[in-house]
Amino acid sequence: NAGVTQTPKFRILKIGQSMTLQCAQDMNHNYMYWYRQDPGMGLKLIYYSVGAGITDKGEVPNGYNVSRSTTEDFPLRLELAAPSQTSVYFCASRSGQANEQFFGPGTRLTVL
Amino acid sequence: QQQVKQSPQSLIVQKGGISIINCAYENTAFDYFPWYQQFPGKGPALLIAIRPDVSEKKEGRFTISFNKSAKQFSLHIMDSQPGDSATYFCAASGKYGNEKLTFGTGTRLTIIP
Repeated sequence: NAGVTQTPKFRILKIGQSMTLQCAQDMNHNYMYWYRQDPGMGLKLIYYSVGAGITDKGEVPNGYNVSRSTTEDFPLRLELAAPSQTSVYFCASRSGQANEQFFGPGTRLTVL
Repeated sequence: QQQVKQSPQSLIVQKGGISIINCAYENTAFDYFPWYQQFPGKGPALLIAIRPDVSEKKEGRFTISFNKSAKQFSLHIMDSQPGDSATYFCAASGKYGNEKLTFGTGTRLTIIP
């Protein structure tokens, strides 16, 4: 199993550009999450999904959108990139029968 | 706002010593308290977790101590090794982990020879 995979690993965007961060898991997990990690701030939940077709906002959803058309994939969309979105983004998943969240390797995004 | 406060922000411990990281929470509905370990350039990974029906849980050199009345919990790393150098996050959630996790701000631990 590859676990949770994220692409790209690094990306530099200009202000106002758009992009999609990809996340996929091969563990048949129902729950998937997007976090951002900023220095000294811990992990903040952006959006989460409890299953295909179901998504909900987390603590910091402004400026982002998500979709969950399949169990495996949970892409995160940035529509109009802003410098405040410079961060490291982590995707995670867990099954409905266990508490452990499995994290991907992260995407480091810089908006200039 | 649900918060989990973590301290210290950074910690330097000599090899063989005991590393202690503390967390405090406010929401009495929290009933699942995991610790995640993160190495540079990697995603966090679950290290150990506890539920409030016990006051202590030990896995190898790692121990969680839990004080329900004080709403505090801590991670103890015994015989700390250079390979333990990482960032550690405490977290909390309700419904025995079936709710969203609220993370602490992290502690960067460095073990020196």
